[in-house]
Amino acid sequence: ETGVTQTPRHLVMGMTNKKSLKCEQHLGHNAMYWYKQSAKKPLELMFVYNFKEQTENNSVPSRFSPECPNSSHLFLHLHTLQPEDSALYLCASSTNTGSWYNEQFFGPGTRLTVL
Amino acid sequence: QKEVEQDPGPLSVPEGAIVSLNCTYSNSAFQYFMWYRQYSRKGPELLMYTYSSGNKEDGRFTAQVDKSSKYISLFIRDSQPSDSATYLCAMSGETSGSRLTFGEGTQLTVNP
Repeated sequence: ETGVTQTPRHLVMGMTNKKSLKCEQHLGHNAMYWYKQSAKKPLELMFVYNFKEQTENNSVPSRFSPECPNSSHLFLHLHTLQPEDSALYLCASSTNTGSWYNEQFFGPGTRLTVL
Repeated sequence: QKEVEQDPGPLSVPEGAIVSLNCTYSNSAFQYFMWYRQYSRKGPELLMYTYSSGNKEDGRFTAQVDKSSKYISLFIRDSQPSDSATYLCAMSGETSGSRLTFGEGTQLTVNP
């Protein structure tokens, strides 16, 4: 595997379900990000981790719970979601968050549908 | 007011046309300007980036930044059907570290 991988690629869940999204990066990076991409809206940054520590939570509802056990893996735990949470969830990684500029490498995303 | 404005399109052009994609922004602290390309069912990939004002050319692609007008452009010459994708502008500044602020994205279709 190369780059940034995400599983599953598609997920359909009911409002009462609990599910998790997984992201893995094979680039030796230390920063990882979760974004939400909805139609006709800019990418919304959700969470940032740098060296496994959460450095940013962009006012995300608590029904989204991130976990970063190491610099290569990032999870997004989902529970009691709402239909408006249906979107493409993108994971990205970069060298770290300390530089003024860092290229972010994105995974293919998980297309989430909440019924 | 949005920090970054981008015409979402869709934009449809014939093969060989010159394409101009644009973004305006309001935050004068932005200094790094990026263009990402996103194919259908894929994540965004960095196409080009520029620092501060000026032009940068890479093959058929030219990125321009005019900080005085807070306006950036991406030009695609001799457009090809393989250029059909959504193009996202993104920006960051010294005060935001690696945090990127994205435009909505412009959906481009190049027709053979």
